[in-house]
Amino acid sequence: GAVVSQHPSRVICKSGTSVKIECRSLDFQATTMFWYRQFPKQSLMLMATSNEGSKATYEQGVEKDKFLINHASLTLSTLTVTSAHPEDSSFYICSARVLGQANEKLFFGSGTQLSVL
Amino acid sequence: AQTVTQSQPEMSVQEAETVTLSCTYDTSESDYYLFWYKQPPSRQMILVIRQEAYKQQNATENRFSVNFQKAAKSFSLKISDSQLGDAAMYFCAYRSALGNEKLTFGTGTRLTIIP
Repeated sequence: GAVVSQHPSRVICKSGTSVKIECRSLDFQATTMFWYRQFPKQSLMLMATSNEGSKATYEQGVEKDKFLINHASLTLSTLTVTSAHPEDSSFYICSARVLGQANEKLFFGSGTQLSVL
Repeated sequence: AQTVTQSQPEMSVQEAETVTLSCTYDTSESDYYLFWYKQPPSRQMILVIRQEAYKQQNATENRFSVNFQKAAKSFSLKISDSQLGDAAMYFCAYRSALGNEKLTFGTGTRLTIIP
């Protein structure tokens, strides 16, 4: 099946620094990617929808200046957590939609555990 | 807005037995998709099964099947012949058939398999 590669899998950073997370579709083109956030023992909450070549659509309550999303190509979307703080520590997961199939599906990356000290 | 409710935070089942995980949802739409995802300790999200709302027939995938009751807005997952590898968090999810394809997830059910 389709593969979505997400890097890094784990990152620890100091408060105030910025962290970039990459999400790549390896064997298909993804015009749309989704970024989710998952707190410990909680569900996945959609943060934003990333559209290739246009601005991302953010969910209510998500600061777009803090969580910068870039979808510059059909195979790559990046999420940058700017000026990270301890409350940004969470598990971030991307997903990409596979188009052109009778039953289009979403495939998920393996996630990134962000720990802000 | 759509909501998805999973009322069972934790469930356990004896190996080889059958277990049913509950999910209800709320929507005013008539066309949508429902999913069950599995999240093992690796935290990789894995699609277990998918149901189109316009289909009356319940979806099945090997040992996994659903009981889709559209009028009741219920979408339960049945796992037959439970195996140790089935241990995971299971999330029910909703997606509209219109516009944005974002998923709305339930809060999850942690399934433990007892050897």
